[in-house]
Amino acid sequence: EDKVVQSPLSLVVHEGDTVTLNCSYEVTNFRSLLWYKQEKKAPTFLFMLTSSGIEKKSGRLSSILDKKELFSILNITATQTGDSAVYLCAVESGAGSYQLTFGKGTKLSVIP
Amino acid sequence: EAQVTQNPRYLITVTGKKLTVTCSQNMNHEYMSWYRQDPGLGLRQIYYSMNVEVTDKGDVPEGYKVSRKEKRNFPLILESPSPNQTSLYFCASSSKAYWGGGEAFFGQGTRLTVV
Repeated sequence: EDKVVQSPLSLVVHEGDTVTLNCSYEVTNFRSLLWYKQEKKAPTFLFMLTSSGIEKKSGRLSSILDKKELFSILNITATQTGDSAVYLCAVESGAGSYQLTFGKGTKLSVIP
Repeated sequence: EAQVTQNPRYLITVTGKKLTVTCSQNMNHEYMSWYRQDPGLGLRQIYYSMNVEVTDKGDVPEGYKVSRKEKRNFPLILESPSPNQTSLYFCASSSKAYWGGGEAFFGQGTRLTVV
């Protein structure tokens, strides 16, 4: 059974702090790893990672994948209150099927 | 505007009364999927469809049915809802046959309560 584990489950930081969110996985036929941000509505896409060691970056957010150790991290620098959300990691897997397995998410709260 | 539209957004119903949650996308996407989201369990895939008339089970398909008669629509059917199906449901679609294309869109969610 495919498994995606995120840590920590919850995190409270002050504005300006840097945070690192973790995602480890065990899946068969790995295709890609995706990060989403979910506020009080639908998840919105952040990054897609398929290759080890290549950092994806968007503003203050960045992410990297390690396919050997089966994990990914999402970094957020200089956090702002608008970064408060649940961050979801999902792994796409399957040969001939296209299942997407989500982790339980990390709830990030950024306080002023 | 590109979007995935779910209806209804909120629904309270009684046990055993059949219901359908509709999902429609206007992007001509081939791949669509349904998820439920529960506290402490995250998002779990119920069913997905890779194209018209092609559907397959996800992780938690029991108690649900889907159909894909047209490309744009992917309704979720609960033939006999039970209280354990109380959840937040999301429909999603993607233009590619994999999710990593960065073009996956989620609907706004349907909060279902079964009493």
